[in-house]
Amino acid sequence: EAGVTQSPTHLIKTRGQQATLRCSPISGHTSVYWYQQALGLGLQFLLWYDEGEERNRGNFPPRFSGRQFPNYSSELNVNALELEDSALYLCASSLVAGQGYTDTQYFGPGTRLTVL
Amino acid sequence: DAKTTQPTSMDCAEGRAANLPCNHSTISGNEYVYWYRQIHSQGPQYIIHGLKNNETNEMASLIITEDRKSSTLILPHATLRDTAVYYCIVRVGSNAGGTSYGKLTFGQGTILTVHP
Repeated sequence: EAGVTQSPTHLIKTRGQQATLRCSPISGHTSVYWYQQALGLGLQFLLWYDEGEERNRGNFPPRFSGRQFPNYSSELNVNALELEDSALYLCASSLVAGQGYTDTQYFGPGTRLTVL
Repeated sequence: DAKTTQPTSMDCAEGRAANLPCNHSTISGNEYVYWYRQIHSQGPQYIIHGLKNNETNEMASLIITEDRKSSTLILPHATLRDTAVYYCIVRVGSNAGGTSYGKLTFGQGTILTVHP
């Protein structure tokens, strides 16, 4: 079974540009999560999408946005890039668990975004 | 989500068991204990999770104390490829709602180094 896939692997942009990162979840998973791992800051939760809707959002400015498509794949858009946006962006997917269970998140390999 | 405390680093000899502790003294009754690991610059890998009972899978065992205030991840026969940062995360289940809904909160984790 294929895992979570992300593209591109690496992305280099200049300050002020826009970046688009893509994620395909594990087959059958309807939830997609985005995390940022900047150097020295650890993994920070960005966004959660399920069934095409944004369900939760981390403490990030509005220039971080995304969407989920009918096939459950997802895009993360970062507008007006700043130098501190340089980071590894990780996508995870999960089933939505039923009552009494929990939903395990499985991560992709990440997209390394460098802002010059 | 409850805060977790882990040692910054640990060493283990190859072939021996690695026992990684985690304190989560403020855990709530509906919060699960999750373990992930991250090998340098890769996406986090899910290892195991549990609620109250001890759990075992092909990768590891999870021992949760009776009061649920701490847990131990056991890698029974550590190999050099187990060298990674190990994260203990406590989170609510998917039906809990609220601002913690859906997200994993990563701390600094434990850097496990397995020596030949």
